[in-house]
Amino acid sequence: DAGVIQSPRHEVTEMGQEVTLRCKPISGHDYLFWYRQTMMRGLELLIYFNNNVPIDDSGMPEDRFSAKMPNASFSTLKIQPSEPRDSAVYFCASSLRGIGNTIYFGEGSWLTVV
Amino acid sequence: GEDVEQSLFLSVREGDSSVINCTYTDSSSTYLYWYKQEPGAGLQLLTYIFSNMDMKQDQRLTVLLNKKDKHLSLRIADTQTGDSAIYFCAESLYSGNTPLVFGKGTRLSVIA
Repeated sequence: DAGVIQSPRHEVTEMGQEVTLRCKPISGHDYLFWYRQTMMRGLELLIYFNNNVPIDDSGMPEDRFSAKMPNASFSTLKIQPSEPRDSAVYFCASSLRGIGNTIYFGEGSWLTVV
Repeated sequence: GEDVEQSLFLSVREGDSSVINCTYTDSSSTYLYWYKQEPGAGLQLLTYIFSNMDMKQDQRLTVLLNKKDKHLSLRIADTQTGDSAIYFCAESLYSGNTPLVFGKGTRLSVIA
């Protein structure tokens, strides 16, 4: 069974450019999470969806960040315009309600904004 | 509110036991988790314990839960170099409908 699939794995972009990160959750999972990991702040929850509906986006740092889930098998996290302080690893994760909230992570998208 | 605290670093010799500790603040936690992150990879679930349990053992891993002190520990017996990674403690309040709260992670270094 394929796990959570994220793309791109690595991206280097210039400040001011738009960045789009993509995620395919595990088939059948009804929760999808976007996390950001940095050395300073550790793992931060940005936003999560249930059945494609955003439930809590209070972790999204600024209006420059937006996330969508148009269907059960795809989500995007967009940063526009990007800034150097957005450099981090962005993880997508998914879970299935009712199994103790175990969540499964993708391999991450390593973003560098120069 | 929820908060999970871990020490940031731990260094052990190969073959010794490692004990990684975690404290959490919310006594309503129902599940507590340990995740492992190897370099350049995502987090992988290692094990979890339900709050009505005191201990769970899975091969080289032993999880101990002290609910009174809100303290969780992960013991790795016969630590190997392949165990070098970051270990995250996480708590969940309700089964299935709230996100996990993660600690900052403990970086375990195993010295050969």
